[in-house]
Amino acid sequence: DQQVKQNSPSLSVQEGRISILNCDYTNSMFDYFLWYKKYPAEGPTFLISISSIKDKNEDGRFTVFLNKSAKHLSLHIVPSQPGDSAVYFCAARYDYKLSFGAGTTVTVRA
Amino acid sequence: DAGVIQSPRHEVTEMGQEVTLRCKPISGHDYLFWYRQTMMRGLELLIYFNNNVPIDDSGMPEDRFSAKMPNASFSTLKIQPSEPRDSAVYFCASSSDRSLQFFGPGTRLTVL
Repeated sequence: DQQVKQNSPSLSVQEGRISILNCDYTNSMFDYFLWYKKYPAEGPTFLISISSIKDKNEDGRFTVFLNKSAKHLSLHIVPSQPGDSAVYFCAARYDYKLSFGAGTTVTVRA
Repeated sequence: DAGVIQSPRHEVTEMGQEVTLRCKPISGHDYLFWYRQTMMRGLELLIYFNNNVPIDDSGMPEDRFSAKMPNASFSTLKIQPSEPRDSAVYFCASSSDRSLQFFGPGTRLTVL
């Protein structure tokens, strides 16, 4: 059973515009959420995270929002750049285990 | 630091053969994780170790899979015998705390 869901398999956005990626989860025991970015033939690399006690975390062009009541989080990338084209995974932590979503492939158009 | 190192990067084998995947975690990290990525199931945790001891192997698909960590700088994931449905990308990750896992580049396994 998928406890973490990314319902949009792909997203295409124009360079300079905002990219919004969404993630839903079902397990209320998750206490920490992360976004990973993955390029082809490489492992996932950490992008940004948020604790369940916060509702927003910002790091440069990347902002993650958490809505605990809706069990929903989102990643905003502003402005989008060509190097942002990659697969983005949402992950949620319980104890030491991470559960991952299926990923969203982002393509930034010039 | 060199990051998490995995070998081989690619492995092609025939059904029934034994396959061994290797991982060297980041020095100082005392948690090590093995993941498998497939189109059908996405990225799923197979097993994780703490201080070289297996803590949770509930994700290991069946007895054909085994993992060991003989010391703090080396771990193996073995499949014996291998089957075509084991074809996937296998990732190793390491961590020093509960918050962040660092992933290796992965091993792409193809079982013919």
